[in-house]
Amino acid sequence: SQQGEEDPQALSIQEGENATMNCSYKTSINNLQWYRQNSGRGLVHLILIRSNEREKHSGRLRVTLDTSKKSSSLLITASRAADTASYFCATREGAGGTSYGKLTFGQGTILTVHP
Amino acid sequence: NAGVTQTPKFQVLKTGQSMTLQCAQDMNHNSMYWYRQDPGMGLRLIYYSASEGTTDKGEVPNGYNVSRLNKREFSLRLESAAPSQTSVYFCASSDPPGRGEEAFFGQGTRLTVV
Repeated sequence: SQQGEEDPQALSIQEGENATMNCSYKTSINNLQWYRQNSGRGLVHLILIRSNEREKHSGRLRVTLDTSKKSSSLLITASRAADTASYFCATREGAGGTSYGKLTFGQGTILTVHP
Repeated sequence: NAGVTQTPKFQVLKTGQSMTLQCAQDMNHNSMYWYRQDPGMGLRLIYYSASEGTTDKGEVPNGYNVSRLNKREFSLRLESAAPSQTSVYFCASSDPPGRGEEAFFGQGTRLTVV
């Protein structure tokens, strides 16, 4: 089964509002990454947070990581119509794990931002 | 800078036919991946190659074979296509754990098996 599970599966908001997406995972990780996918295109990396970090910012993005709960959240502030896309979390397992080095994705959250 | 290039972009196969999906990266990455994406299932890892000459199974390897021809190229082969293999296939590459980490994706191959 997949490592990451995301919540909600779909999110619909108005421009200017904040969007929060959550990701839970099962095994110990080296890092957790968030990706964006526009319809029909390849994925694009947004931000990475390492297992020893709790929070990270990049522009309008804020990512938190709680390794005790095996969960992460992605916050997009002041959303724009152009943020409409699917967002995926991905985990890379730490050394010693059976899946060391592999990048495993969650099922994604479809975000729709209405103008 | 091309990044990750996948060919073909679209393909229709008949059940039982074989084909090879090609992937090449020009970023000198050690790690390469093949994923499939189905509606509501996110991306599922088919095979992974940590470096030239090594490959490892992912979540859904059945019905597929891979070849890491050299550091640049990682191909995915369907020996006898089945309708269940209808999907969008993505190739990706990255530096190994501890260096870089960010994965770069190709634009995908839309495969339909009839």
